[in-house]
Amino acid sequence: AAGVIQSPRHLIKEKRETATLKCYPIPRHDTVYWYQQGPGQDPQFLISFYEKMQSDKGSIPDRFSAQQFSDYHSELNMSSLELGDSALYFCASNRLPDSGNTIYFGEGSWLTVV
Amino acid sequence: RKEVEQDPGPFNVPEGATVAFNCTYSNSASQSFFWYRQDCRKEPKLLMSVYSSGNEDGRFTAQLNRASQYISLLIRDSKLSDSATYLCVVSYNYGQNFVFGPGTRLSVLP
Repeated sequence: AAGVIQSPRHLIKEKRETATLKCYPIPRHDTVYWYQQGPGQDPQFLISFYEKMQSDKGSIPDRFSAQQFSDYHSELNMSSLELGDSALYFCASNRLPDSGNTIYFGEGSWLTVV
Repeated sequence: RKEVEQDPGPFNVPEGATVAFNCTYSNSASQSFFWYRQDCRKEPKLLMSVYSSGNEDGRFTAQLNRASQYISLLIRDSKLSDSATYLCVVSYNYGQNFVFGPGTRLSVLP
């Protein structure tokens, strides 16, 4: 079965640069969630979208923005990157309310800021 | 205080042991509950949903006590392959919000 697809899987950026992460949800899923996981930490919720509208906002820095497009894929844009932004970024998707409220994760995008 | 709390761990147990993980949540509006498993540097994967009546999947048993806002996971006959971090997850607002606990790391030793 198709899963959540994230790209790129790995990227290395310098401080103050910009990065864009992409997420393609499971087909027919209408909700996308972004999480950031630093070393040894649990996933921290950044932002989510339902039917192309922002549905909830967590600890997303002002330097970051995201959107969900008409085909339900989502992009996380990160600007003025800082060393502390180095983390594993997960995207997850869900179809509300049919999937029993379970979310499924992509394999993540590793961002290293140097 | 975190919205979802778990045993701090790590748990180091021998193969074949039974191990129990505890989780508490503070949001009484929480509606759905899950255990996810996360291997090192991998994405979290759903282990099982947790229902008020309790549910079992092979060696894994999950319990939910809504009155106490408490969730548990019991692993019987631990295998080496069970070594991972176990994340307690709570959702509310009809699935629009998911909150992760800090995770409990399990190492099953030969």
